[in-house]
Amino acid sequence: TAGITQAPTSQILAAGRSMTLRCTQDMRHNAMYWYRQDLGLGLRLIHYSNTAGTTGKGEVPDGYSVSRANTDDFPLTLASAVPSQTSVYFCASHVDSSNTGELFFGEGSRLTVL
Amino acid sequence: GQNIDQPTEMTATEGAIVQINCTYQTSGFNGLFWYQQHAGEAPTFLSYNVLDGLEEKGRFSSFLSRSKGYSYLLLKELQMKDSASYLCAVTDSNYQLIWGAGTKLIIKP
Repeated sequence: TAGITQAPTSQILAAGRSMTLRCTQDMRHNAMYWYRQDLGLGLRLIHYSNTAGTTGKGEVPDGYSVSRANTDDFPLTLASAVPSQTSVYFCASHVDSSNTGELFFGEGSRLTVL
Repeated sequence: GQNIDQPTEMTATEGAIVQINCTYQTSGFNGLFWYQQHAGEAPTFLSYNVLDGLEEKGRFSSFLSRSKGYSYLLLKELQMKDSASYLCAVTDSNYQLIWGAGTKLIIKP
């Protein structure tokens, strides 16, 4: 079972360039999330989607955009990358938006912005 | 504001028992999670507590006291593979997940 697939696994990006991190799930989960994880900080929510066709802003949305055209895919775009966006990015999904059960994570995308 | 506190780092010996504490102040409560995260990997689900008391699952147990805003994760018969970060997270009244910064557990032989 694939679960959640993220791509790329790692990327080095020049500041000012754009980048899209891909996330695909095959569990037919309604809710999907993008987090960033930095040393010494907890997982911070960037954007979320409770169901296909809807998205919302999390704790740290600036500089990022998302779309949810269908149930399976939830790409994260950095329009013009800055060094402070250097981080590990995790995509996650949940059966619904209640967050009362297990959250499934992708393997992460390590992004370095120079 | 909403806050989850857990120790930054703990060290324990192989074969021993360790307790990782988590205290929370959130707007409402709809459940508390523990996740394990090995270095360079994604978090994986360990437990979910919504009622007070102890939930046991093999070598791992998780305890919750809602009145005290407190939980702990108990790991018994520690193995070297238990070296990881342990993340505490709470679902608040708006069903948003609030994450602690994680506790890095170091197991020594």
